[in-house]
Amino acid sequence: GESVGLHLPTLSVQEGDNSIINCAYSNSASDYFIWYKQESGKGPQFIIDIRSNMDKRQGQRVTVLLNKTVKHLSLQIAATQPGDSAVYFCAENGSGGTSYGKLTFGQGTILTVHP
Amino acid sequence: GAVVSQHPSWVICKSGTSVKIECRSLDFQATTMFWYRQFPKQSLMLMATSNEGSKATYEQGVEKDKFLINHASLTLSTLTVTSAHPEDSSFYICSARAGYPNQPQHFGDGTRLSIL
Repeated sequence: GESVGLHLPTLSVQEGDNSIINCAYSNSASDYFIWYKQESGKGPQFIIDIRSNMDKRQGQRVTVLLNKTVKHLSLQIAATQPGDSAVYFCAENGSGGTSYGKLTFGQGTILTVHP
Repeated sequence: GAVVSQHPSWVICKSGTSVKIECRSLDFQATTMFWYRQFPKQSLMLMATSNEGSKATYEQGVEKDKFLINHASLTLSTLTVTSAHPEDSSFYICSARAGYPNQPQHFGDGTRLSIL
């Protein structure tokens, strides 16, 4: 079946540095992607999304880049803060068949920000 | 906006009992709600999808008689774990989506279920 995966399971950065979290997806037909942040004991929190007709989208301190040629997605966090420490998941929204409208989550990256 | 409330946040019960978990969209109407299960240090696994007024669609391997889902209104879905056993202990998370499939799902804060 289709899957969404991450290259790095853990990432440690110093406060103030920029963070980059990567994600590979396998379904070339996917047209919508979402990044979520999950803090311990809580549900995933929406960060930013991007549709396949775009290659970059910016939010507040976050940027998502989409490279459809190599099926790669990344989340950039500028000036990372201790409050950014969490698990980050990319998710692919199914575009057809039995996966239509359903999210497939990557394995997650644990981001730790050191003061 | 897009707040999803899940209740209870934590429940402990004896083996053999049934447990009901509620998921509410507080400030939007959710045409579709989803139920996930998450084991420690793992990703979210979709259990079922429910549309308001319709029967839920379960993912392969999920027992529909064990995990009963009701989506009676556009703001409420419930998951009932029937005759729960220790192996059903997990973190259950719901999500809700307002409109078309290419809109984000918004998640509740999960329910930690522990079966003794």
